[in-house]
Amino acid sequence: QVQLVQSGAEVKKPGASVKVSCKASGYTFTGYYMHWVRQAPGQGLEWMGWINPNSGGTNYAQKFQGRVTMTRDTSISTAYMELSRLRSDDTAVYYCARDSGYSSGWSFWGQGTLVTVSS
Amino acid sequence: SYELTQPPSVSVSPGQTARITCSGDALPKQYAYWYQQKPGQAPVLVIYKDSERPSGIPERFSGSSSGTTVTLTISGVQAEDEADYYCQSADSSGTYHVFGTGTKVTVL
Repeated sequence: QVQLVQSGAEVKKPGASVKVSCKASGYTFTGYYMHWVRQAPGQGLEWMGWINPNSGGTNYAQKFQGRVTMTRDTSISTAYMELSRLRSDDTAVYYCARDSGYSSGWSFWGQGTLVTVSS
Repeated sequence: SYELTQPPSVSVSPGQTARITCSGDALPKQYAYWYQQKPGQAPVLVIYKDSERPSGIPERFSGSSSGTTVTLTISGVQAEDEADYYCQSADSSGTYHVFGTGTKVTVL
């Protein structure tokens, strides 16, 4: 069965960087795009971008361009999202979500990783 | 930047029908998707390609599209349907994805 398992909660200081991992299993990792979505406390969902695990190509939301880097390690079926120059308003739960392809939506999500930015 | 607009809240009695709208200029060109999210949980896909239902999603969930508005309909609402619902789509070029503002469905 498809599973996406994310790394644990992080506490960071303003100005630091955070790198969240998303380990995939139960399917061919390179066959499906991976999206990253975040949700600030009490707020809505916000799309951050995607990575093509096959080519490594990326597409970032304009809001995060210059601050986010999405990478992958195909040898261990893991996608990463690194956000730099953290601010307090980056405090959120970060999710990875697998694109099912063929406009079928994002059926599989990680459990979420809470990133807290506080001095 | 592109935006999708939803009503903040919808209240419905058990057994009645809940309708949640989502408006955006690019919706005539781009598919819409709907996600259900319960507190402390990851979102769950309930509708894709405007009106298709993934396997395992109850038949009471349906989607429709008309011009710049898409609608999620929950027929015969049950207490377990109380959750936040988000539409999701892309801008006219298909480059950037976006979520709607979210709608809290309360079952009275």
